[in-house]
Amino acid sequence: QVQLQESGPGLVKPSETLSLTCTVSGYSISSGYYWGWIRQPPGKGLEWIGSIYHSGSTYYNPSLKSRVTISVDTSKNQFSLKLSSVTAADTAVYYCARSPREWLSPWFDPWGQGTLVTVSS
Amino acid sequence: QSALTQPASVSGSPGQSITISCTGTSSDVGGYNYVSWYQQHPGKAPKLMIYDVSKRPSGVSNRFSGSKSGNTASLTISGLQAEDEADYYCCSYAGSSTLVVFGGGTKLTVL
Repeated sequence: QVQLQESGPGLVKPSETLSLTCTVSGYSISSGYYWGWIRQPPGKGLEWIGSIYHSGSTYYNPSLKSRVTISVDTSKNQFSLKLSSVTAADTAVYYCARSPREWLSPWFDPWGQGTLVTVSS
Repeated sequence: QSALTQPASVSGSPGQSITISCTGTSSDVGGYNYVSWYQQHPGKAPKLMIYDVSKRPSGVSNRFSGSKSGNTASLTISGLQAEDEADYYCCSYAGSSTLVVFGGGTKLTVL
């Protein structure tokens, strides 16, 4: 079955860039669908960060758009998130997920297990 | 503040039915039949329970159902079980500008 796994540093300094990678197994990203990033600050709700189509087209949350870059590497079956100029407010569990449609939708399934990223000096 | 409004908490006894509401606007919930619901147990990743307002993925119990009326979507859980105790989030497509929005989440307590 399709599985996703987030990886990257668990601690990032303020003003630096947060970088995470999601490795997909059981499905080839190049076959299609959208792939997304969602985050959840400790004790708070979910926030959609952005999504990328297998061809590289991207959509971002308008509130984060100026700081977010999502890219895809089909040769490694991975997609990545970069969030620049981070502050403590960016501390959260970051999830990657598949959107099993050929267009952007709020349907995310499955999800990775999530990775906690703390922004602190 | 989340774009979609959910009650902070709901509760019910085993065997009962509960409904969780998700209120948006004509620009999101009311404008599209693209609402999904997620269940999240503590320390776990969210799990898809409903998509496209009322469709249930394979493997999800038929005790879970979704509906929509106007700008409000609803998740109904019938025959409440202890394992249903979790946080529930709604999510909607919100047009070409805002794109995807989540609700603030609802904590379900099974008494």
